Amino acid sequence: AQRVTQPEKLLSVFKGAPVELKCNYSYSGSPELFWYVQYSRQRLQLLLRHISRESIKGFTADLNKGETSFHLKKPFAQEEDSAMYYCALIWSGNTGKLIFGQGTTLQVKP
Amino acid sequence: NAGVTQTPKFQVLKTGQSMTLQCAQDMNHNSMYWYRQDPGMGLRLIYYSASEGTTDKGEVPNGYNVSRLNKREFSLRLESAAPSQTSVYFCASSAPEWTSGPQGDIQYFGAGTRLSVL
Repeated sequence: AQRVTQPEKLLSVFKGAPVELKCNYSYSGSPELFWYVQYSRQRLQLLLRHISRESIKGFTADLNKGETSFHLKKPFAQEEDSAMYYCALIWSGNTGKLIFGQGTTLQVKP
Repeated sequence: NAGVTQTPKFQVLKTGQSMTLQCAQDMNHNSMYWYRQDPGMGLRLIYYSASEGTTDKGEVPNGYNVSRLNKREFSLRLESAAPSQTSVYFCASSAPEWTSGPQGDIQYFGAGTRLSVL
């Protein structure tokens, strides 16, 4: 069964420290993965997706099919990165349905 | 451009009461979704509608019904609310890849409805 696991509920780092939010998935086909972010008092929005291979707000994520992971990384955290982060997987076929992980709250301390 | 609009923003119900959560999008998207967000559980799909006139169950459909009124609107109904349905509800929309290319499967979310059932 398709599943997305984010093992950390809360990740707390100091400003300027590196950040890695973990995401592991189980999926029998070729996965399409996303990171969505929810800043305080804002709606959930797309941060990045693996097929774009881009860096958004300094974040990158590489799909590792061998380890079935899609970890989100940033070399130097900023206070404005504090938010809830969700890893998500396209569920099946062409319906566009997403399976979300449990979410990780990133807290960047000054 | 409003995107995805949800009403109401907050609601308190008593056990057994019914209510309908409204969602509308102005992006001409084919697909619409209802999720619930609970601490430690992430977002879970309740129902979705791949296109106007079709609806299908997600992970947690029990206790809910939906109506895809037209291409813009997708409502979620709680017929007899229970405390277990206390949650934050999000509506989202997208235009799947087969209709609009690789950008189509990005989902756009509403601001959410915070529902408490006492």
